[in-house]
Amino acid sequence: SQQGEEDPQALSIQEGENATMNCSYKTSINNLQWYRQNSGRGLVHLILIRSNEREKHSGRLRVTLDTSKKSSSLLITASRAADTASYFCATDVGSEKLVFGKGTKLTVNP
Amino acid sequence: DAGITQSPRHKVTETGTPVTLRCHQTENHRYMYWYRQDPGHGLRLIHYSYGVKDTDKGEVSDGYSVSRSKTEDFLLTLESATSSQTSVYFCAISSTIPGTGTAKNIQYFGAGTRLSVL
Repeated sequence: SQQGEEDPQALSIQEGENATMNCSYKTSINNLQWYRQNSGRGLVHLILIRSNEREKHSGRLRVTLDTSKKSSSLLITASRAADTASYFCATDVGSEKLVFGKGTKLTVNP
Repeated sequence: DAGITQSPRHKVTETGTPVTLRCHQTENHRYMYWYRQDPGHGLRLIHYSYGVKDTDKGEVSDGYSVSRSKTEDFLLTLESATSSQTSVYFCAISSTIPGTGTAKNIQYFGAGTRLSVL
């Protein structure tokens, strides 16, 4: 069963705008990760936030985690056309496996 | 793609035929995973391996088998392909925390195999 669920399923914005994607999950986690997938390619790891962290930054990415609400958000600031991709959250529940959500498809229009 | 090679990259086959997909890694990682990706379902785990000859089932293992006879290769076999197995298949690896053998669980993916079963 799907652990993480991203919201929205699709998002279309203009270049320069910020993009926010949300992920909700069901069970306790060790960490939560975000991955990007460009069309026709494999997933690429973006950022990991541990269960005892509330916010993490990496370049134009900002991830927040609220374990009480079992939710996370990924913010991409000053979006570029090259950010067009699908974004997936993945939860690590300590079983040597990750459980991926269904993804948010982001389109950044020039 | 983090030293991960999937082969073939594309395959078209007929219902009822056996199909084997190969995942090859060059960096001696302990953990290897097979996923399928379908519209509306995201990425779902089929099988994974935590060492040579050590494998376990994932969420959608029915109709699939795997083998890992050496560290670098993880094979996924569809014994008798069905149309419902038309999908994009991804292999991934995970490194371990030094000195522990525990998966770091940041995964690195291959480029995928697009399989069509007619």
